[in-house]
Parts: sequence; C-alpha cells; structure tokens
Amino acid sequence: NAGVTQTPKFQVLKTGQSMTLQCAQDMNHNSMYWYRQDPGMGLRLIYYSASEGTTDKGEVPNGYNVSRLNKREFSLRLESAAPSQTSVYFCASKWTSGSLFSYNEQFFGPGTRLTVL
Amino acid sequence: AQKITQTQPGMFVQEKEAVTLDCTYDTSDQSYGLFWYKQPSSGEMIFLIYQGSYDEQNATEGRYSLNFQKARKSANLVISASQLGDSAMYFCAMRESSGSARQLTFGSGTQLTVLP
Repeated sequence: NAGVTQTPKFQVLKTGQSMTLQCAQDMNHNSMYWYRQDPGMGLRLIYYSASEGTTDKGEVPNGYNVSRLNKREFSLRLESAAPSQTSVYFCASKWTSGSLFSYNEQFFGPGTRLTVL
Repeated sequence: AQKITQTQPGMFVQEKEAVTLDCTYDTSDQSYGLFWYKQPSSGEMIFLIYQGSYDEQNATEGRYSLNFQKARKSANLVISASQLGDSAMYFCAMRESSGSARQLTFGSGTQLTVLP
C-alpha cells in the first residue's frame, strides 16, 4: 500500500516548455486534488476532482490543466511553463462521502519541486 | 478575507515545554472541520489532528490537543512536552461543508523550532 505517489520528485524546465506531473493513489479514494505551495502562502488548491470523470478549478487554476485518467490517477499539465509556476506541487486524495458530518483525512503525496528558469 | 489565519510565522520553544500555535478561521458554514498538518524539512505533509464543528470535546491525539473555541473561531494547536523532532512547519486547515469536493483551505503556516 503506497498511499499517494507523485512523479517526478524534482524537475527543472525552461520558460515555455511543457510537462505533466503524475499522481496515483491506491486507497480507492474518490476525490483527488492538486495544490501548490509557495513560501509564506501555505498550500493553495489548483484543481480538484471530486470523483472519476469530473474536474473543477480551485483557487489558482490559470496556466494548468488536469486529467482524471481513472479512479487512481490524476495528472497536472503545464502547457507553457512560466517562472511564476516555480513551486512545490502536492497531490492529495481522500474519500468524500455524502455525509456532512463525516470526516476523512486528506492524504498527501511527497511533492514535486518544480523550477522554471 | 483570509479563511485561515496563522499569525505566528515563527515560534521557538524549549525542549520538554508546551507550546501553542494559533489559528483563527472564518466561515459561514455551520458544519466544518479543522485540521492541523505538520510539514518537516523533508517536505511531506503529516496529518496531526482533526476537530469537527459539532464536536463538543476538544480533540486530542497523544501530545497534540486542539483548543477549539467556536465562538471566537479559533482552533489552536497545543503540543505538550515538545521534542526536537517537533521542529517543523505547522499548517492549520479548514474544510467547509459547501463545495462538491470539500477541499482544504490552508493557513500560511507557523515554523516551530524546538531548542535543546
């Protein structure tokens, strides 16, 4: 049981290059998330997928696209990288139930440190 | 307006002493959850403790407790008997009941340093 895995761990891009960050979870969670973490700003939500087949924008979606490939995998794509996208990217997943009173912990991957020159 | 506010960018505590990390939140939802995560220098996010808005008792998990004051909208983390391994960044987060995926909203974090 690996939990949430992310690849790659580190990446350096030049401005204008594209790349896809991969995320997979083996906990049968229905919801998956992509966050970015910048110094002094905590984690901010880029996109999320409440369930397989759906994706929605979060707080900072500009410059990104996502694909929920199947229940396990949720990828984040940068079509034309910019220096402002230098950040640490975290993928997370959880089970979201219909109950307002249930809580389910959000599990995080180890992060991808991306530098755009 | 910030939904989660952590006003202490950095804190120092002596080993074996207790420390309180502040967190205030803003929501109009009646049902919500408050979380604390620890992020050591290695970078991973580690879940510590959860408090539901309808929970009458303050949450506790080992040396961690959450001082929940609903009327003041505060959810402070208390770490008792600090250890050197507690040195890390600590994030307070909230999940509101509105929204389809009930994602977490994070504060900016508090960097805790435990001194020997």
